[in-house]
Amino acid sequence: DTGVSQDPRHKITKRGQNVTFRCDPISEHNRLYWYRQTLGQGPEFLTYFQNEAQLEKSRLLSDRFSAERPKGSFSTLEIQRTEQGDSAMYLCASSQQGTSLEQYFGPGTRLTVT
Amino acid sequence: TQLLEQSPQFLSIQEGENLTVYCNSSSVFSSLQWYRQEPGEGPVLLVTVVTGGEVKKLKRLTFQFGDARKDSSLHITAAQPGDTGLYLCAGEYAGGTSYGKLTFGQGTILTVHP
Repeated sequence: DTGVSQDPRHKITKRGQNVTFRCDPISEHNRLYWYRQTLGQGPEFLTYFQNEAQLEKSRLLSDRFSAERPKGSFSTLEIQRTEQGDSAMYLCASSQQGTSLEQYFGPGTRLTVT
Repeated sequence: TQLLEQSPQFLSIQEGENLTVYCNSSSVFSSLQWYRQEPGEGPVLLVTVVTGGEVKKLKRLTFQFGDARKDSSLHITAAQPGDTGLYLCAGEYAGGTSYGKLTFGQGTILTVHP
C-alpha cells in the first residue's frame, strides 16, 4: 500500500476558473477528510465522508465548493469560480472506522489563484 | 469554536539543545495528536495521546497529555538538524462527534542549526 495520494500536487489557475482535485485514500480506510491549510497556519477541517456519505461540511465550505466520494473510494473536491482567497494547500486524510484517531495525510494539492 | 493554541510560534536553536512546545486549550479533548510537517508535504503523525496524564516517549521525543485533557506538550532532547520542521498539535473535541474531526493548532516552526 502506498498511502494517501493526491493529484495534482500543484495547480495554478486564473480567478474565475473551476478546478478539481482528486484524493485516493488508503484502500481499506472508509473515512476520508478534506482540510485546507494556508501559509503559517494549521490545517482547517472542510468536510468528512464515511464510505460514500458526506456526513459533515464546515462553514468554510461555501457553495462554490463541492466534494464527492461516489463509490466510497477516491474523492474529488471541486472549486467553482475560484477566488484569490482560495489559494491554499488542500489536504486529504483517511482513517479506518474504529481507529479514527489515526489519520494519514496525503501530500496535498497546492492551489495558486492568480 | 474549540481552539488549540501553540507556543512558541517560532523556535530557533542549536544542535544538542533541548526544547519544549506547548499546546493549550480551554476545551476538553478526547484525544490529542502531534504531527510533523515538511515544506510542501502533508502532516505525518508522530503520536496520539488519549488518557489524561499520559506520557509517551518516541526516541528523543516525549509527549504529555494534561490531566484535564486540555493541554499537551512535546519535549525534544538533544535536538538535531533533522528535527527541523513544522510541529502541529491536533485534537478531537470531547463534546463533538466521534468520527475523528481534528482541530489543529497554528503550528511551531522549529529550526535546528548545526
